[in-house]
Amino acid sequence: AQSVTQPDIHITVSEGASLELRCNYSYGATPYLFWYVQSPGQGLQLLLKYFSGDTLVQGIKGFEAEFKRSQSSFNLRKPSVHWSDAAEYFCAVGNDYKLSFGAGTTVTVRA
Amino acid sequence: GAVVSQHPSWVICKSGTSVKIECRSLDFQATTMFWYRQFPKQSLMLMATSNEGSKATYEQGVEKDKFLINHASLTLSTLTVTSAHPEDSSFYICSARIGGFYEQYFGPGTRLTVT
Repeated sequence: AQSVTQPDIHITVSEGASLELRCNYSYGATPYLFWYVQSPGQGLQLLLKYFSGDTLVQGIKGFEAEFKRSQSSFNLRKPSVHWSDAAEYFCAVGNDYKLSFGAGTTVTVRA
Repeated sequence: GAVVSQHPSWVICKSGTSVKIECRSLDFQATTMFWYRQFPKQSLMLMATSNEGSKATYEQGVEKDKFLINHASLTLSTLTVTSAHPEDSSFYICSARIGGFYEQYFGPGTRLTVT
């Protein structure tokens, strides 16, 4: 069965600094990978997805992620964090149209 | 586009009573809807998958008689927590998928507290 690990429970970053969130997956075939962001009072919003092709994926809000098959990773990055990026971030792997989510990483942005 | 709503956003009920949560796709028709449960500071756990007009498919360990799911139309799915107990208190989230596409669009969630 597929699974996702997000090693970092909580990350604090200064506004304007870069951000990287780690995600490792376990899946036998080529995975469908997703990053979602959850803000209080709002539903999970899709930041980006990887199905195939170019391993560097661009998403919304200035985020990007890189798929590395050799490392079973799909890390999320943003060059310069804004205070509005404070939220919970979830990595997910898809199989048969169902998603398995990681435990999430809470991002705190300090001024 | 692709907006999913949930109602209510927050509900308190007494132990032993039932509560219904609605999930609606507002601007699209959802062939499949999913129900998740999220505990504080934890991930989303898939409870069941429902297709319009069909019985829901429950994940292992989820009591189908306790969590009744109805997907009567392409824009509405309901989750009824029957004979609720304090351990059913949680954050329930629904999502919807447009046929042919993999992405799921999530509702804002419903906070259930059973006293």
